[in-house]
Amino acid sequence: AQSVTQPDIHITVSEGASLELRCNYSYGATPYLFWYVQSPGQGLQLLLKYFSGDTLVQGIKGFEAEFKRSQSSFNLRKPSVHWSDAAEYFCAVGLMDSSYKLIFGSGTRLLVRP
Amino acid sequence: DTAVSQTPKYLVTQMGNDKSIKCEQNLGHDTMYWYKQDSKKFLKIMFSYNNKELIINETVPNRFSPKSPDKAHLNLHINSLELGDSAVYFCASSDPGTLNNEQFFGPGTRLTVL
Repeated sequence: AQSVTQPDIHITVSEGASLELRCNYSYGATPYLFWYVQSPGQGLQLLLKYFSGDTLVQGIKGFEAEFKRSQSSFNLRKPSVHWSDAAEYFCAVGLMDSSYKLIFGSGTRLLVRP
Repeated sequence: DTAVSQTPKYLVTQMGNDKSIKCEQNLGHDTMYWYKQDSKKFLKIMFSYNNKELIINETVPNRFSPKSPDKAHLNLHINSLELGDSAVYFCASSDPGTLNNEQFFGPGTRLTVL
């Protein structure tokens, strides 16, 4: 069965420090992969996506993610975190069967220390 | 211009009541979805419609009935509300023809059942 694992429930980093949020997936075919961010009380905003080509993808707000097929991973990174990045981050796999549904990970809450 | 809109943003109601949440998208997408986010922030798909036809029903209780009057609208009606229905409900839309299934999310409706 398809699944997405985000092993870190919470991560705390200092402002200006680098960030890596982990995501592992289980899917039998080539995955379409997404990272979404949810600020408190807000909806979901797409940060970046991967569906083919270059395995290092750039997104909005200075985020990037790298698809590693051998590790079934799609980790999100940012070189220097800003206080405004504090939010919940969700990794998702897009199924390319007739359902087109997204399978989400459980989310990682990012806290930023001043 | 709001791409995917939902009304109401907040909904507080008593157990046993019937309520509806409305969703509209102006992106011209063929496919629309309802997701439920529980108190632990876990996001799970409930329904998906493609061109007004149901394509996903993820074993949601019969009390939940989606209705799609046209491909720009997907409403969610809930009968006999229960405490466990309290959650944030997100509507989303996508164009599967783009082959990467990027889904655009609405701002969410926070439903509280007392």
